[in-house]
Amino acid sequence: EAQVTQNPRYLITVTGKKLTVTCSQNMNHEYMSWYRQDPGLGLRQIYYSMNVEVTDKGDVPEGYKVSRKEKRNFPLILESPSPNQTSLYFCAARTGLGEQFFGPGTRLTVL
Amino acid sequence: AQKVTQAQTEISVVEKEDVTLDCVYETRDTTYYLFWYKQPPSGELVFLIRRNSFDEQNEISGRYSWNFQKSTSSFNFTITASQVVDSAVYFCALTSDMRFGAGTRLTVKP
Repeated sequence: EAQVTQNPRYLITVTGKKLTVTCSQNMNHEYMSWYRQDPGLGLRQIYYSMNVEVTDKGDVPEGYKVSRKEKRNFPLILESPSPNQTSLYFCAARTGLGEQFFGPGTRLTVL
Repeated sequence: AQKVTQAQTEISVVEKEDVTLDCVYETRDTTYYLFWYKQPPSGELVFLIRRNSFDEQNEISGRYSWNFQKSTSSFNFTITASQVVDSAVYFCALTSDMRFGAGTRLTVKP
């Protein structure tokens, strides 16, 4: 079954404690993205990757890092989380025609 | 600038009513794709439709239909005879920089 997986699904942490949200896809798509979803703002792109070792900033990259060492994995790293990063995060893998397959989401709370 | 506007923040209808969700976009690209996604209360994002900029034919899929008008930069989504299961947040998106609208929350009451 074609899918995008994210872990963890829920996370409560404290300010400044580094965390990583993993994302993995089994569809062999080159293009992957991270989004955050906030009420009234829709989904905003944090970072995207067009292929292995190629990453670029989206609309809201501050406070986040990503890496793309292999095609299937695209982890999101928060080196020093802050309360304004409390959000619902989605990873997505994208086809060449732009259709995106989203992971189930990670709900992050930073206290 | 690339932009997607969903002016309707929330819509509430009674079951069996028809409802149209509006989407207006801005792009300088001549080739682009438009999408609609559904986010039910369970939270996952579900792909509904893709439309490319060269194809202005309307599309119908069961109770769902989409009206793409390049002249007005709109890509509206109509649900005919709405059902409670249609209750969700619906997002319109544009391939240019992968812009999403803010979403429209549709509530269908029994």
